[in-house]
Amino acid sequence: AQSVTQLDSQVPVFEEAPVELRCNYSSSVSVYLFWYVQYPNQGLQLLLKYLSGSTLVKGINGFEAEFNKSQTSFHLRKPSVHISDTAEYFCAVSERRTGANNLFFGTGTRLTVIP
Amino acid sequence: KAGVTQTPRYLIKTRGQQVTLSCSPISGHRSVSWYQQTPGQGLQFLFEYFSETQRNKGNFPGRFSGRQFSNSRSEMNVSTLELGDSALYLCASSSGGRLLEQYFGPGTRLTVT
Repeated sequence: AQSVTQLDSQVPVFEEAPVELRCNYSSSVSVYLFWYVQYPNQGLQLLLKYLSGSTLVKGINGFEAEFNKSQTSFHLRKPSVHISDTAEYFCAVSERRTGANNLFFGTGTRLTVIP
Repeated sequence: KAGVTQTPRYLIKTRGQQVTLSCSPISGHRSVSWYQQTPGQGLQFLFEYFSETQRNKGNFPGRFSGRQFSNSRSEMNVSTLELGDSALYLCASSSGGRLLEQYFGPGTRLTVT
């Protein structure tokens, strides 16, 4: 079974400051890793994914994440946030066996960018 | 290309009733997955359909069921509604390969009173 822990439920940050949203996972099998963003009253949008290869993954809107197998972490970072980044961010995993269409999500981190 | 559409967007039902939610995937997509989002339990996977067959199933009671039609549109049904079924139900579609991106719809907000 898999589990995903997002350590911070809320993260306030000033505009143009850097941000890191933390994600740790637990799984007895190999997994794929994802970050999704949810804006108010909308569905989820994929920011980035780690399937294999380079552990540093770049996504949309200037976000990037680094897969650390030894620490079972997949933290999301952005060097300079914008007001429009205010949203809820979800880390997710899926088993390599079942594939990417069966996602286990963390509880989410609400990022609030302060002007 | 039109995105994933879900109908209705909002729904209010009474405990004990049943409800059917609809999802139209992106044209050409053959896989449809359903998720339940609640403040307490977060986002949980319900099931996935591919080419009219259920391919994966989450850990939900049998009151939750789904189906997919030949045009890839999908419906999910919840029978004997409970207060705890109040949630945002999200549908996601992908072209079918197991490594491809899922595109989410805006969701159906179900309130059970």
